[in-house]
Amino acid sequence: DAKTTQPPSMDCAEGRAANLPCNHSTISGNEYVYWYRQIHSQGPQYIIHGLKNNETNEMASLIITEDRKSSTLILPHATLRDTAVYYCIVNTGFQKLVFGTGTRLLVSP
Amino acid sequence: DTEVTQTPKHLVMGMTNKKSLKCEQHMGHRAMYWYKQKAKKPPELMFVYSYEKLSINESVPSRFSPECPNSSLLNLHLHALQPEDSALYLCASSQEPDREQFFGPGTRLTVL
Repeated sequence: DAKTTQPPSMDCAEGRAANLPCNHSTISGNEYVYWYRQIHSQGPQYIIHGLKNNETNEMASLIITEDRKSSTLILPHATLRDTAVYYCIVNTGFQKLVFGTGTRLLVSP
Repeated sequence: DTEVTQTPKHLVMGMTNKKSLKCEQHMGHRAMYWYKQKAKKPPELMFVYSYEKLSINESVPSRFSPECPNSSLLNLHLHALQPEDSALYLCASSQEPDREQFFGPGTRLTVL
């Protein structure tokens, strides 16, 4: 499975958009990009996933570059409850997810 | 019912004890998972059950023994654990083996 690189931490002001980058330069054609987050003392929570096209759901948007070597998770209006560790995972399927070290996002008032 | 429940929330055990962790879901999901998460580290996959059969074992030591009695229930039997096995044990389920996983809150295990 392709490895991912994420910044260890990011800050965001409440109400602003949080843009979390992820590099996956060795991604294969059949590998998806998945995003999960883990709020302190809870289990991870699925956010969104995509293959080539940009995706949007009620939680977030996922922007994947045309060459698929990087992606950005966008939380359009971050709230304090979005403070969490965000994991970007590249895999051929959901079944054997390999979590990296993730980005610790801190949303402040 | 749209959640994965895990019991107990906390467990302290000695190295000679035998204990079990329990995971339950009533969403009709056909795949269930055990993960281990050490402090300040990401979760690591241990086992996957698909349609009540063990499909993936990530070379986990035999002192951890999973069991899937039915499609709603997943157990993790623990025996002769070591202090380094202290961790948060997470259970997850998915509708099918290759669908998004829903995680429970975890059981925090301390081995003395």
